[in-house]
Amino acid sequence: NAGVTQTPKFQVLKTGQSMTLQCAQDMNHNSMYWYRQDPGMGLRLIYYSASEGTTDKGEVPNGYNVSRLNKREFSLRLESAAPSQTSVYFCASRQDTTWGTQYFGPGTRLLVL
Amino acid sequence: DQQVKQNSPSLSVQEGRISILNCDYTNSMFDYFLWYKKYPAEGPTFLISISSIKDKNEDGRFTVFLNKSAKHLSLHIVPSQPGDSAVYFCAASGNNNDMRFGAGTRLTVKP
Repeated sequence: NAGVTQTPKFQVLKTGQSMTLQCAQDMNHNSMYWYRQDPGMGLRLIYYSASEGTTDKGEVPNGYNVSRLNKREFSLRLESAAPSQTSVYFCASRQDTTWGTQYFGPGTRLLVL
Repeated sequence: DQQVKQNSPSLSVQEGRISILNCDYTNSMFDYFLWYKKYPAEGPTFLISISSIKDKNEDGRFTVFLNKSAKHLSLHIVPSQPGDSAVYFCAASGNNNDMRFGAGTRLTVKP
């Protein structure tokens, strides 16, 4: 069991470039999440998907889009990267919608110049 | 608007003593609370949780206390060990599948 995997581990973008962060889980979980972590801010929820085929906005969705490709995969896209999107991005998954633990991936460190 | 707050950015404790990490929340709809531990360059890992129907949950050296009327929870680590040095995040969720995290407290346990 690999758990939650994320690619890439590190990326440098120029302002205005686009990219997709990939996330996959092999635990057969229903719910998947994308967070960003910034110093002094903790983890802030960008988008989540309660089940395959559904997505919902979290706390800070502006500038991002997501796709729940299937039960395993949940991708995060930056259409036009901005320096304010420099952050560490974490993907997580959880079996149930209300109860239960979230399992996190190792993170993607993104630098936007 | 920060619905989950950890007001102490850092805490330093001597090995063998008790570590107490605190967390406050504002949303009365939260009914499930978790603590995560994070080492540098890794994702957070689950430590312990508590539902709103309980006021205490214990797992080995870790105990979480919930005071619903005060909207406050705390994590006690007894005895603290140097390997416990990490950033600890408090998190809360309700029935809408949204989970909110605090800003984290960096715990340093000195040998």
